Amino acid sequence: GAVVSQHPSRVICKSGTSVKIECRSLDFQATTMFWYRQFPKQSLMLMATSNEGSKATYEQGVEKDKFLINHASLTLSTLTVTSAHPEDSSFYICSAKPAGNTIYFGEGSWLTVV
Amino acid sequence: TQLLEQSPQFLSIQEGENLTVYCNSSSVFSSLQWYRQEPGEGPVLLVTVVTGGEVKKLKRLTFQFGDARKDSSLHITAAQPGDTGLYLCAGGPGSARQLTFGSGTQLTVLP
Repeated sequence: GAVVSQHPSRVICKSGTSVKIECRSLDFQATTMFWYRQFPKQSLMLMATSNEGSKATYEQGVEKDKFLINHASLTLSTLTVTSAHPEDSSFYICSAKPAGNTIYFGEGSWLTVV
Repeated sequence: TQLLEQSPQFLSIQEGENLTVYCNSSSVFSSLQWYRQEPGEGPVLLVTVVTGGEVKKLKRLTFQFGDARKDSSLHITAAQPGDTGLYLCAGGPGSARQLTFGSGTQLTVLP
């Protein structure tokens, strides 16, 4: 089946630095990928829709200058958390959808800002 | 904005008991998915229902899509500790091919 992979699975960074998370579709092309944020035992919150070759669409309340999304190819989207702060610590998940109705999720990336 | 409310939010039961999780909305969805997620992992798709009134069974799990395609339920028979996890319903995909996620139900099955 279709596979979506995220890297890194866990990252710790210092407050004020930036960190990049990658989301790759391994066996299909994805013109659109989605980035979610999740707090422990809570549901997924859609942050933005990543569009290949164009600007990402951000959900209301999500700072586009803080959460930079780049979708430079049909198999890769990146989320960069800029000037990270402890409150940005969270579980970040991406998803992508090949042809058909099934949406596949990455394994998620734990970000801890110290 | 389409919203999906799940109930209960938290559920702790003994092994062998039955349980039902509900997913309700005021909006109509073209399809509805149920996911199970374990800590530190991405959600794993359990089932997709697309037809109003549809019932699907996956071993001890029974999924039902409401006739009006606004609600769904997940029933687990004889729950086992391995069923522990966060259960998420999700409606769509919508025009942007994104999913609208429910609020989630954290299930704990005690041995």
